[in-house]
Formats: sequence, C-alpha cells, structure tokens
Amino acid sequence: AQSVTQLGSHVSVSEGALVLLRCNYSSSVPPYLFWYVQYPNQGLQLLLKYTSAATLVKGINGFEAEFKKSETSFHLTKPSAHMSDAAEYFCAVSEETSGSRLTFGEGTQLTVNP
Amino acid sequence: SAVISQKPSRDICQRGTSLTIQCQVDSQVTMMFWYRQQPGQSLTLIATANQGSEATYESGFVIDKFPISRPNLTFSTLTVSNMSPEDSSIYLCSARQGNGYTFGSGTRLTVV
Repeated sequence: AQSVTQLGSHVSVSEGALVLLRCNYSSSVPPYLFWYVQYPNQGLQLLLKYTSAATLVKGINGFEAEFKKSETSFHLTKPSAHMSDAAEYFCAVSEETSGSRLTFGEGTQLTVNP
Repeated sequence: SAVISQKPSRDICQRGTSLTIQCQVDSQVTMMFWYRQQPGQSLTLIATANQGSEATYESGFVIDKFPISRPNLTFSTLTVSNMSPEDSSIYLCSARQGNGYTFGSGTRLTVV
C-alpha cells in the first residue's frame, strides 16, 4: 500500500533563505509523486509532479523536487523564500495498482519571516 | 489540464439536513474522486466516483452518509446526508486526466 510521510508539520524560514520541505514515500511499484500548495481558504494548486521521467523536476514559482529512489524521498526545495510562499504544502503519491487514487501526506505549514 | 467548477463554495447548514455538492469538469475525464479535509488536517479520500456504476468507498465512509452520483464523464455530485457538526469540513472533488490530477476549489461546510 502506498503512503506518504512529511517530516515537520511546521517549517519556518526567513525571507530569502532556502526552503526545504521533506517527503518520504512508500510504494510497492514505481510511483507518481506530486507536490501541491494550498493557500488559506483556497483549493489545491499543483506545484510539480514526477511521473518516471527526469528525476529532478522543476515546478512553478521557482520550486523543484528531486526523486531519489534509494532514499524513497521527494523533497521540495526553493533557493530563496518569498513572503508569498507562506502556505500549506502537501506531498502526494499515486500508484496504478491502487486504483489511481492520490494518497496525501499530513502537510507542512510553511511560514516565511521578514 | 482539466478545469473543475465546484459549487457551492461554502454553506452553513442545520444539523439533520443534507447538502449536495456539484463538480463540473470542462472535459471528459476517466476518474473522479471526492476528498474531505477536516480543519487543520490533510485530505482523506472519501470515494472514487465511477461513471455509470456505484462509487467505490474508502474504509470509514458509507454510501448512506455520502451518496455519490456520476451520470457522465464530466459531472459528479456528493451529498452529505443527515449532517452533524462533525461533518464540518472542506470537501473537494478531483479529476484524473492522464497522469495528472486537478482539484476543484472546495466546498467549506459548517454544520450548526
């Protein structure tokens, strides 16, 4: 069965600092992996996805993530945080063998301090 | 990617009543899903909405409480029945197209 663990329910960084949000997955088959962002009182917006092509995936708003099979990780990074990055971030995994459902991690609340 | 229109965006309902949430996709999609996001928590899958057949429910969710319809490849509804304050959540629909997933903007439900 697929699962996702996000390390750190709250992450706080200074504006201009590196953002690192951690995600580890468990999957019995090669997974598809996703990062979504949710701003207050809004729906989910796709940041980026890994679908078995390049292991380094670039997304919107300067975010990127690297798929590391040996570490079962898909951490999200951004070199320089902006105040507008403050939001909830969700990592998610899907497998073809699980009916294509998305399984979400618990989420990480990112705070950006001026 | 597909665009989903979800409505209502929010509602305040009396306990014991029912609310039907609608999702309209701007293109035909093979799979649609319904999620619940309780306050301060992550998304939990309620069910997969199957076109032309009964929805597939996840453990802990039953058809009597959350009946779902999917009459065609672009539309689905979720009803939250006999509501109680514990049903206060955000409900989101999702559509799969290719290897991507799109989400509606969510319905923020408050039961009083």
